[in-house]
Amino acid sequence: EAEVAQSPRYKITEKSQAVAFWCDPISGHATLYWYRQILGQGPELLVQFQDESVVDDSQLPKDRFSAERLKGVDSTLKIQPAELGDSAMYLCASSLWDRGEQYFGPGTRLTVT
Amino acid sequence: AQSVTQLDSHVSVSEGTPVLLRCNYSSSYSPSLFWYVQHPNKGLQLLLKYTSAATLVKGINGFEAEFKKSETSFHLTKPSAHMSDAAEYFCVVSDSSYKLIFGSGTRLLVRP
Repeated sequence: EAEVAQSPRYKITEKSQAVAFWCDPISGHATLYWYRQILGQGPELLVQFQDESVVDDSQLPKDRFSAERLKGVDSTLKIQPAELGDSAMYLCASSLWDRGEQYFGPGTRLTVT
Repeated sequence: AQSVTQLDSHVSVSEGTPVLLRCNYSSSYSPSLFWYVQHPNKGLQLLLKYTSAATLVKGINGFEAEFKKSETSFHLTKPSAHMSDAAEYFCVVSDSSYKLIFGSGTRLLVRP
């Protein structure tokens, strides 16, 4: 069964450093999502791509976060500089289209020290 | 705006007994509602979804949920808990742009 791949699974970084996460969606899925899940809370959408275009980044802290999906396949989420409050699980999901069922990857757990 | 409230942060049951995870929603129109499960170190998995068809929705692994408009509820149930059901469960509503809004989660503990 096809799955959404994410790497790394765990990342520890010092504050003010840069960090990047990678996501490879299920083959053929046009829509890709990045979520942030703070401990004890539900996931919150950061950014949504349709192919290579951003369709929703209203909750993305654009002063330090950036996301790209250059060829409309895999995607990278970057934080620079990282802050203590960025410690969370970062989840990637994909769907066939923007109203389709979302399939989630295992996530990257970020700890900022 | 759409939102969901999960009424219990933790639920503990004995193996073989019924499971009830409670969720209330707020929506200005007929909502789409979902339950997702998150096992440790695994991605979120869709258990079931309601999209204005039958009010009783059957999902995977013996779970089901009933949409009650009068009570604005979408509680998740299972007749008999199994040890493998221990996980975090999220009630989710989608907004008018099909964006998923997650509740804060309920951790289900299953005692042997």
